[in-house]
Amino acid sequence: EPEVTQTPSHQVTQMGQEVILRCVPISNHLYFYWYRQILGQKVEFLVSFYNNEISEKSEIFDDQFSVERPDGSNFTLKIRSTKLEDSAMYFCASRYKIKWPERSTEAFFGQGTRLTVV
Amino acid sequence: AQTVTQSQPEMSVQEAETVTLSCTYDTSESDYYLFWYKQPPSRQMILVIRQEAYKQQNATENRFSVNFQKAAKSFSLKISDSQLGDAAMYFCALYMNYGGSQGNLIFGKGTKLSVKP
Repeated sequence: EPEVTQTPSHQVTQMGQEVILRCVPISNHLYFYWYRQILGQKVEFLVSFYNNEISEKSEIFDDQFSVERPDGSNFTLKIRSTKLEDSAMYFCASRYKIKWPERSTEAFFGQGTRLTVV
Repeated sequence: AQTVTQSQPEMSVQEAETVTLSCTYDTSESDYYLFWYKQPPSRQMILVIRQEAYKQQNATENRFSVNFQKAAKSFSLKISDSQLGDAAMYFCALYMNYGGSQGNLIFGKGTKLSVKP
C-alpha cells in the first residue's frame, strides 16, 4: 500500500540552526501539506502546496519557514533559524488531485518527524 | 471561520465495551467532509473513518461508526467491542470541499482514549 514517508523520524538541533524536514508523498498525489503538533496540543495546519507553489498558509508559517519540491518527488519543510518553541511533531500529508466538482479523498499522513530544539 | 470542538479530553472504556467520542463543528459551508483520525503512541496519524456531509447515511467501518447530525453539527465516533489496540488519541477533523479550496484539515484538540483490560 502506498504511503507518505518522512525523514528523519527524530531531529535534534540547536537553537538558531537551520533544519530541513523531508517528505516523500504518495506518487500520484498532487496536493501536499505540512502540519505541526506541539506536544499535548492539537494538530495545526502550516501550509499547503500545489503546482509548485504555496496555495495556502497559516499565521504560524512565517518568514522562517519555507517549502519546496526540489526534484518532483521530495517535499521539504525548511526552518531557517530554529527557536525553542519550534519543538514539535511535524507531519507531512498528501492528497489525490481534487478538482471541483469531483469529490475529494482523504489526506494521507506520514509518520511524522519529531523536532527537538535545544 | 471553521472550528472543531472535542469536549472530552480523556475517555476510558473497558475492553469489549462500547465507547462514544464526541465532536462538534462549525462551518457556514454545506459541502464538507468529516474525519476521525487515530494517533497511537507512535504518533502517526491514521484515518479511522470519513463522512461526506451530503450523505445522510452514517459511515461505518467494522467496529467504528459515526453518528452524523448535520443540523446539530455533531459528529460522534462509536467504537464497539473495544480492543486494547484502540487506545490512542482520537482527532476529529473537518475538510471543506468547494471550488478553489486547497483543502486543509481543521482538527479538534483530541480525545485520549484508554482501554482497560
